Amino acid sequence: EAGVVQSPRYKIIEKKQPVAFWCNPISGHNTLYWYRQNLGQGPELLIRYENEEAVDDSQLPKDRFSAERLKGVDSTLKIQPAELGDSAVYLCASSGRGNEQYFGPGTRLTVT
Amino acid sequence: GEDVEQSLFLSVREGDSSVINCTYTDSSSTYLYWYKQEPGAGLQLLTYIFSNMDMKQDQRLTVLLNKKDKHLSLRIADTQTGDSAIYFCAGPILEYGNKLVFGAGTILRVKS
Repeated sequence: EAGVVQSPRYKIIEKKQPVAFWCNPISGHNTLYWYRQNLGQGPELLIRYENEEAVDDSQLPKDRFSAERLKGVDSTLKIQPAELGDSAVYLCASSGRGNEQYFGPGTRLTVT
Repeated sequence: GEDVEQSLFLSVREGDSSVINCTYTDSSSTYLYWYKQEPGAGLQLLTYIFSNMDMKQDQRLTVLLNKKDKHLSLRIADTQTGDSAIYFCAGPILEYGNKLVFGAGTILRVKS
């Protein structure tokens, strides 16, 4: 069974540019999560989807971040415009009927 | 203090046992998790324990839960160089809508 797929794996952009990350969860997993992991820290939840509905986006900086999961499967996370402080690893995870979350490899974003 | 706290670093010799400790604040957490993160990779779910259990063993891994002290530990028997990674404990925090909150991670270094 394929795991959570994310792309790209690495992205380097200049500040003020837009960037987008893509995630394909494990087949059959209705719940999808986007996390941000700063260097030396654990992941922090940005947004959680149940199917196509965002049920927890309280930690998403809505002035510059947006996310969508239009058909309840794949999801994209966008930042526009990016700031230096957005440099981090962006992790996608999914879960099925159980509570266990399975993570993708992440996208390492560097903003210069 | 932080909702989930871990010691930052642990160094052991190959073949020895490793014990990674974690303390948490939310006594209502139903599950507590241990994740492993290797360099450049996402988080891999290692094991989890239900809050009504005191101990769970899975091959070389033993999880101990002390609910009274809100203390969780992960013991790795016969530690191998491949166990070198960052280990995160995580648990849902009721105050945050049962969002999974991660510790900052413990760096385990195994010396051969």
